[in-house]
Amino acid sequence: NAGVTQTPKFRVLKTGQSMTLLCAQDMNHEYMYWYRQDPGMGLRLIHYSVGEGTTAKGEVPDGYNVSRLKKQNFLLGLESAAPSQTSVYFCASRSGLADLYEQYFGPGTRLTVT
Amino acid sequence: AQSVAQPEDQVNVAEGNPLTVKCTYSVSGNPYLFWYVQYPNRGLQFLLKYITGDNLVKGSYGFEAEFNKSQTSFHLKKPSALVSDSALYFCAVRDMRNSNYQLIWGAGTKLIIKP
Repeated sequence: NAGVTQTPKFRVLKTGQSMTLLCAQDMNHEYMYWYRQDPGMGLRLIHYSVGEGTTAKGEVPDGYNVSRLKKQNFLLGLESAAPSQTSVYFCASRSGLADLYEQYFGPGTRLTVT
Repeated sequence: AQSVAQPEDQVNVAEGNPLTVKCTYSVSGNPYLFWYVQYPNRGLQFLLKYITGDNLVKGSYGFEAEFNKSQTSFHLKKPSALVSDSALYFCAVRDMRNSNYQLIWGAGTKLIIKP
């Protein structure tokens, strides 16, 4: 049981390049989330999904796209990277069962855009 | 507006002393409250939650938190700090504006336990 995994762990992009971050969970969770973490700002929600085939915008969605074609996977795409997207990106998932609201996090992807 | 505040950027405690990491919140209705811990270069780990019931909630690694409705607080506590407790701690509250149980996060408090 690996929990939530993220690939890659590190990436350096040039401005304008594109990339996809992959999140996978093996807990059969309904909900999945993408956050970015910047110093002194806590976590900010980028996009989330309430189930396979569904996605929705979070607090800071601009410049990002997501897809959830399979229940266990949640992909975050950057079509044209900008230096402002330099951050640590975390994926999380949680069960859809009542009273199980806690989220489980992956180890993160550290992205630098130059 | 709904929000979570962690008023201290950093808390320094000597090993063996009790520790408190503060969290206050502002939401409508009954809050769902959470504490997470983040060790260096790691993802966040769930520590404990308050949904309903007893105001004192016990969690992982000997941590507990006390829900205080009148003071809108949910402070994290531990009776005797360990050096290994040094980490970044986040408080979060359920966003009551939607039905998807998204969380509103505090900015985090760095806890440093000195030997």
